[in-house]
Amino acid sequence: AQKITQTQPGMFVQEKEAVTLDCTYDTSDPSYGLFWYKQPSSGEMIFLIYQGSYDQQNATEGRYSLNFQKARKSANLVISASQLGDSAMYFCAMREGLGSWGKLQFGAGTQVVVTP
Amino acid sequence: NAGVTQTPKFRILKIGQSMTLQCTQDMNHNYMYWYRQDPGMGLKLIYYSVGAGITDKGEVPNGYNVSRSTTEDFPLRLELAAPSQTSVYFCASSYSGTAPPLFGSGTQLSVL
Repeated sequence: AQKITQTQPGMFVQEKEAVTLDCTYDTSDPSYGLFWYKQPSSGEMIFLIYQGSYDQQNATEGRYSLNFQKARKSANLVISASQLGDSAMYFCAMREGLGSWGKLQFGAGTQVVVTP
Repeated sequence: NAGVTQTPKFRILKIGQSMTLQCTQDMNHNYMYWYRQDPGMGLKLIYYSVGAGITDKGEVPNGYNVSRSTTEDFPLRLELAAPSQTSVYFCASSYSGTAPPLFGSGTQLSVL
């Protein structure tokens, strides 16, 4: 069964607007971590933001914030004030359980295109 | 700091050939990982290591082998390359089992 689901294969957003990328996850383990990575056209994987299952507040890193809704098992990434350089593939990933040794399970990704 | 370094960046193999993808990190991280990314897909874990001398299989280990003789290096060996192994390979490392893995720049491998 798919552990991480990203239902938006692609989306367009205008420069300076905010965009929300959806991510839902499936786990019965009470301890887990959720990650977002950015993959620009150059191909590298860039870590953006992390949310732990026991964290009380939503994570924020600059223009990135994570809308964590534990009961709904969703961890949506919000990018505020989009810039042309935000055009990339975005992946949601989960570390499941304390004994996972940091192994991540990835979603299929969402392609974001920022237009002027 | 160089971070996680992968070589080569590109490689074309013929069916049945073998090769080793190199990965080295200079951050003294104990945890290292190999992922593959097929076109239009997310990453899948091939093998991982939690320290020198300790390795274990991930989700898609068939056709690959790894070794971890030092903290710094985590090479991935492809034996008898097949077209199904055409993919982009990423090496990653982290300082703990909860820290976000940092990725290398990837190796684009084509098996023809």
